[in-house]
Amino acid sequence: GAGVSQSPSNKVTEKGKDVELRCDPISGHTALYWYRQSLGQGLEFLIYFQGNSAPDKSGLPSDRFSAERTGGSVSTLTIQRTQQEDSAVYLCASSLGANQPQHFGDGTRLSIL
Amino acid sequence: GESVGLHLPTLSVQEGDNSIINCAYSNSASDYFIWYKQESGKGPQFIIDIRSNMDKRQGQRVTVLLNKTVKHLSLQIAATQPGDSAVYFCADHRNQAGTALIFGKGTTLSVSS
Repeated sequence: GAGVSQSPSNKVTEKGKDVELRCDPISGHTALYWYRQSLGQGLEFLIYFQGNSAPDKSGLPSDRFSAERTGGSVSTLTIQRTQQEDSAVYLCASSLGANQPQHFGDGTRLSIL
Repeated sequence: GESVGLHLPTLSVQEGDNSIINCAYSNSASDYFIWYKQESGKGPQFIIDIRSNMDKRQGQRVTVLLNKTVKHLSLQIAATQPGDSAVYFCADHRNQAGTALIFGKGTTLSVSS
């Protein structure tokens, strides 16, 4: 069955460039989450979308980070003016709703040179 | 601060043994807990969840125990197999709609034949 799909799987870019990461959630899942995972660490929450409600952006580390979710489905995480400390695996998850199991994609491995 | 953490960063067992992975949480308002398994290069995979109105829940070869008195969560894996080798994360969900999961740093389980 179709799970959460993320693209690209790997992204290498130069410091200062902007990047866009894409997430296709499981069909029918109203909740979508972005997390960041640094090497050997747990997951750090970034942003959460639930239906048509205003997103919970409380985890975004700086104003260089933003995300959109169009039509209640696909989401894009954008990082502007990338820095080396942005290097990490960016994971997307979706769920049927709040307080439901979150199902993860395999992430985008972002490397900033 | 509030966090979900694990007692041991690594656990090594022999194939066929039972494994127990422990997790402590600090937020008494947490009402939903999930265990995830993460293999190298993959996103976290849902294993089992438990809500705060339960003490124990069983799945296939896995059991989760919740002790709210001491804020302790454990994952038991019966007859551990080499395919169980991975990093295991516990995560908790606060008692309010629309919040993301808070992850611990993970325990690396190594199963030798």
